Amino acid sequence: GIQVEQSPPDLILQEGANSTLRCNFSDSVNNLQWFHQNPWGQLINLFYIPSGTKQNGRLSATTVATERYSLLYISSSQTTDSGVYFCAVDTGNQFYFGTGTSLTVIP
Amino acid sequence: DTGVSQNPRHKITKRGQNVTFRCDPISEHNRLYWYRQTLGQGPEFLTYFQNEAQLEKSRLLSDRFSAERPKGSFSTLEIQRTEQGDSAMYLCASSFRGGTYNEQFFGPGTRLTVL
Repeated sequence: GIQVEQSPPDLILQEGANSTLRCNFSDSVNNLQWFHQNPWGQLINLFYIPSGTKQNGRLSATTVATERYSLLYISSSQTTDSGVYFCAVDTGNQFYFGTGTSLTVIP
Repeated sequence: DTGVSQNPRHKITKRGQNVTFRCDPISEHNRLYWYRQTLGQGPEFLTYFQNEAQLEKSRLLSDRFSAERPKGSFSTLEIQRTEQGDSAMYLCASSFRGGTYNEQFFGPGTRLTVL
């Protein structure tokens, strides 16, 4: 199956800092989503972004499908941004998740 | 639209018992997915339905696992003769597949503990 790698695996930021999370995938995909998993395990949709760039408040994402990567930008981080961020790619038959980036934002 | 719901939220069982989980998708979503997530890992695909048809099953889905989606609405995931290795979070997601569009929305999950 397709390989999905996320980096960095762990990230600690001071509140107010910016960060970039990366998702690499090993084959062409139909779609890509970014999720934030909260401490209770709920996966919250951040972006549905098969290609191009989208922005939502302090978060933005870019997917370059031809080069098989996606980036999630978090600006002016807040403590509520803490949690695990996952990218998931859709091959048409199933979704494959990366192993996630664990983000801790300290005040 | 109340989102994807899953019941129960937590289940504790003894090894060897059977358990069944339920997922109610967002109404009018034609696809429903089941995943398993263990600590420190990303969700792993188990199976998915297009309406009532089960179209794909992971090799992770041993013969102790069975899933149904009668009438293309809610779905159930049953684990027979549970083992301690089945302890995990079981996640359900639904989507409306139209053309290449296929955005998933997840439920809160069912956390299974096998003693």
